[in-house]
Amino acid sequence: GESVGLHLPTLSVQEGDNSIINCAYSNSASDYFIWYKQESGKGPQFIIDIRSNMDKRQGQRVTVLLNKTVKHLSLQIAATQPGDSAVYFCAEFPRDRQKVTFGTGTKLQVIP
Amino acid sequence: DAGITQSPRYKITETGRQVTLMCHQTWSHSYMFWYRQDLGHGLRLIYYSAAADITDKGEVPDGYVVSRSKTENFPLTLESATRSQTSVYFCASSSGKETQYFGPGTRLLVL
Repeated sequence: GESVGLHLPTLSVQEGDNSIINCAYSNSASDYFIWYKQESGKGPQFIIDIRSNMDKRQGQRVTVLLNKTVKHLSLQIAATQPGDSAVYFCAEFPRDRQKVTFGTGTKLQVIP
Repeated sequence: DAGITQSPRYKITETGRQVTLMCHQTWSHSYMFWYRQDLGHGLRLIYYSAAADITDKGEVPDGYVVSRSKTENFPLTLESATRSQTSVYFCASSSGKETQYFGPGTRLLVL
């Protein structure tokens, strides 16, 4: 999961396995969430989003799950590939959209 | 399709110097943002702009100045650079208040 510490939490996964990356968000009033992927030396890239009226949303090889009861968001990556190696972080949006909060991220390492 | 670009990609400067980071987007997005990214922190908003000639402070605006005379450009100026401003700076744009698309970043080192 995510941490505000100096070192990013790291998830090491064998190529071909599924990955699950977690995010605990802070604001119960947040109703929109995005997962971003950031490769080394690059800017964050949009992966998938979900609104609070949904519990699950699927994309290509990725699924986002939202548990509003415990304020928890997860990103599942199926059949993880070396190109999935990156830092993943979530963004939460309050209803008034005035302040977006970004998580610190989890580093995903794919072992070939 | 250029999208959103930033220049320079790398910059080394000295304490006290003025530095301007450039951001340009080709989507005609209304909103543009400047963030800094530091180890141990999520992206922190410096300034944002809802439209040309409209700018607002974010979470960490001190020491920075922005302008938006044209929709497609949103330069960020460090008026007198300090070592604490060593960071990676990301520009982003969005058509509304949701999905933001990020540039490749500028790595700034202040000596």
